[in-house]
Amino acid sequence: GAGVSQTPSNKVTEKGKYVELRCDPISGHTALYWYRQSLGQGPEFLIYFQGTGAADDSGLPNDRFFAVRPEGSVSTLKIQRTERGDSAVYLCASSQTGELFFGEGSRLTVL
Amino acid sequence: QQQVKQSPQSLIVQKGGISIINCAYENTAFDYFPWYQQFPGKGPALLIAIRPDVSEKKEGRFTISFNKSAKQFSLHIMDSQPGDSATYFCAASFAGTASKLTFGTGTRLQVTL
Repeated sequence: GAGVSQTPSNKVTEKGKYVELRCDPISGHTALYWYRQSLGQGPEFLIYFQGTGAADDSGLPNDRFFAVRPEGSVSTLKIQRTERGDSAVYLCASSQTGELFFGEGSRLTVL
Repeated sequence: QQQVKQSPQSLIVQKGGISIINCAYENTAFDYFPWYQQFPGKGPALLIAIRPDVSEKKEGRFTISFNKSAKQFSLHIMDSQPGDSATYFCAASFAGTASKLTFGTGTRLQVTL
């Protein structure tokens, strides 16, 4: 497809486990963003990549969260020692001209 | 600190009516104000956006009204249709960070027949 692809669509894990969420942006988009959307809330910015480097990671809540984009395309959001409060939909978006195109998100549930 | 406040939280409008959603922002450095539409299980999609050099922008049935002095902007959906039923988010961002958006809390719109 031509849109932003996110996997898995749903992830259930236990408290303390490690999870990885993957984002495949629209081909050719150099900018990639991760947002987190809690139930009943608007998306909150986590991190922004321009190419391979993290241009702004000011939204990452703590050092348990980390994201990479090694080849400037696919990105992985990594969460260590998950907590119940990490439960949310993690949205990825890509952009080339400033307009964000969002994926459908990865719903993370931490039991 | 909630930098973008959105109201109402939910809205029910009859088919053919006008839906109005309001947002207020605090930071005068914001210079890009988009509205996003989100259907259940989907990601947000850009609907319409405005910059503070104009007071109104219209695209089809959707209009943004912008009041710089009051630090408020609103979305008007004319001739609302059942297919417009979704959650709407206002957002704002700073110069040079057009895509690092601060979102409002959302308005769930239901358009009834």
